[in-house]
Amino acid sequence: EAGVTQSPRYAVLQEGQAVSFWCDPISGHDTLYWYQQPRDQGPQLLVYFRDEAVIDNSQLPSDRFSAVRPKGTNSTLKIQSAKQGDTATYLCASSFGLGGAEQFFGPGTRLTVL
Amino acid sequence: GDQVEQSPSALSLHEGTSSALRCNFTTTTRSVQWFRQNSRGSLINLFYLASGTKENGRLKSAFDSKELYSTLHIRDAQLEDSGTYFCAAEADSAGNKLTFGIGTRVLVRP
Repeated sequence: EAGVTQSPRYAVLQEGQAVSFWCDPISGHDTLYWYQQPRDQGPQLLVYFRDEAVIDNSQLPSDRFSAVRPKGTNSTLKIQSAKQGDTATYLCASSFGLGGAEQFFGPGTRLTVL
Repeated sequence: GDQVEQSPSALSLHEGTSSALRCNFTTTTRSVQWFRQNSRGSLINLFYLASGTKENGRLKSAFDSKELYSTLHIRDAQLEDSGTYFCAAEADSAGNKLTFGIGTRVLVRP
């Protein structure tokens, strides 16, 4: 069974540039999560979906970050006008069902904003 | 305050020895997951517990939902056990949101 896949694996930007991250969850998993992991910290949830619906985006900086999952399968996380403080690894995870479901993580995209 | 308090922040072990990591939770927790993050950044699932204990090879984990803590024991440590270990809690009211601890950096030395 294929795991969660993400691309690109690395991205380097200048401040002010835009970037998109792509995630393909485990087949059949209806819930998809995006986490941000700054260096030497634990992952922190940004947003998550059940199917195509956003369940919680309260931790997503809405002025520059957006996330979509239009068909309830793959998802894209986009940063407009990146800042140095956005430097982190962006992790995608998926699970089946809400509440008490084990999450499985992709390899992440390591973003550096210069 | 932080929902998940993980300790120690770093741990150095000699091959063949054993040790334990601990996470304390400040709110009612439905389940806990333990991960190891390798040098490439991948989070590897070790355990998912809603209660009780689980064992997998030289690793054993326990979750006490009443006393609000979880432990991860490493027995007969091997070099490949090195990495950063995270616990992550799903609060009862969180709807599957995971809150991670700060991680424990484990280094196993020959």
